Amino acid sequence: GQQVMQIPQYQHVQEGEDFTTYCNSSTTLSNIQWYKQRPGGHPVFLIQLVKSGEVKKQKRLTFQFGEAKKNSSLHITATQTTDVGTYFCAGPGGYQKVTFGTGTKLQVIP
Amino acid sequence: GAVVSQHPSRVICKSGTSVKIECRSLDFQATTMFWYRQFPKKSLMLMATSNEGSKATYEQGVEKDKFLINHASLTLSTLTVTSAHPEDSSFYICSAREYSGLLGEKLFFGSGTQLSVL
Repeated sequence: GQQVMQIPQYQHVQEGEDFTTYCNSSTTLSNIQWYKQRPGGHPVFLIQLVKSGEVKKQKRLTFQFGEAKKNSSLHITATQTTDVGTYFCAGPGGYQKVTFGTGTKLQVIP
Repeated sequence: GAVVSQHPSRVICKSGTSVKIECRSLDFQATTMFWYRQFPKKSLMLMATSNEGSKATYEQGVEKDKFLINHASLTLSTLTVTSAHPEDSSFYICSAREYSGLLGEKLFFGSGTQLSVL
């Protein structure tokens, strides 16, 4: 079945440093979504990418969808302590389903 | 954004009892809702897809007789953990799909239910 892997699994960064998480799917995706889950909280939708090679920005966050639509990345510039949490990518995993990536847990050291 | 309400947020029960978790979409109609299980420091594992007015679709390895799902209306889905055992202790999260155009869709999540079975 479809697998969606994310690397790294964990990342500790000093506040102000940049951070990137990578998402790789075993199959081509029609779209990809990104979610953020704060410690003790529930996943919150961040963005959806649909087009091959698409790049979208939200303030310090830059999202990219690969040309082959099998990978994606999330880059955070100048991390802040509010960026702490686990970031998940997610893509269609069959009829009506959404398959979540393994997640990247970000820890920001003040 | 859309709001999904899930409760209870936390429940502690004795082994052998049943627990019902409710998931409501508050400001949109959701023909499809999803139930996930999340273990500590792990990703979300899809348990089942709840379809309004029809039977739920369960993922492989999920016991449908143990995890009863009912989607009686366009805004409410319930998950009942029957005869709960300690190994059922976990964080359960529901989500509802909102469509916003031909290609646009988002999942909105409930706040989750931490189930502890003694």
